Amino acid sequence: QQQVKQSPQSLIVQKGGIPIINCAYENTAFDYFPWYQQFPGKGPALLIAIRPDVSEKKEGRFTISFNKSAKQFSLHIMDSQPGDSATYFCAASDAGGTSYGKLTFGQGTILTVHP
Amino acid sequence: NAGVTQTPKFRILKIGQSMTLQCTQDMNHNYMYWYRQDPGMGLKLIYYSVGAGITDKGEVPNGYNVSRSTTEDFPLRLELAAPSQTSVYFCASSSASGGHLREFFGPGTRLTVL
Repeated sequence: QQQVKQSPQSLIVQKGGIPIINCAYENTAFDYFPWYQQFPGKGPALLIAIRPDVSEKKEGRFTISFNKSAKQFSLHIMDSQPGDSATYFCAASDAGGTSYGKLTFGQGTILTVHP
Repeated sequence: NAGVTQTPKFRILKIGQSMTLQCTQDMNHNYMYWYRQDPGMGLKLIYYSVGAGITDKGEVPNGYNVSRSTTEDFPLRLELAAPSQTSVYFCASSSASGGHLREFFGPGTRLTVL
């Protein structure tokens, strides 16, 4: 199966809160898991990505946690700010195979951070 | 670098009309992709290309055609527009150098078919 399931569909937090977005995948051939951030009227932009040989990756206030055995990964946003309000997509691909970088996306999470 | 550019930004079509969505990248990337984005559905791959002259179907190719005559350009053709093709279309490109793939997306084309 090629599906990537993402939850929740929407999320509202206060400034300084730590929103968590979860994704689950089925295809064990996936070996590259990026998160994209999309602002209204713009294309998705790569935020952070992880490969399955590590369980966690941090870049600034953004952290990916990865559980290979459960086939799940999640995005945590520390000290969230109103400027983080956007739609977030998880994705997966078989970067090392013949998938040529084709991404399978989750359904997206609309994050709203209130001041 | 301008990155990935798409034209037009918006378009309204009548059922049965045809049009071409343009996509150009100036990063000399081998791989290019077309996705469509529908509310609550994420992005779905329509077609992709691994180089000039080489294209293949993605998850939702029906009703679309592509061509890749140069490294820079990857147009998407709708021959007989249908209401089901109302969507936001994103073109992307990526380079496979160093075993790491990163996709760069264009700003999108919002298409409405009435």
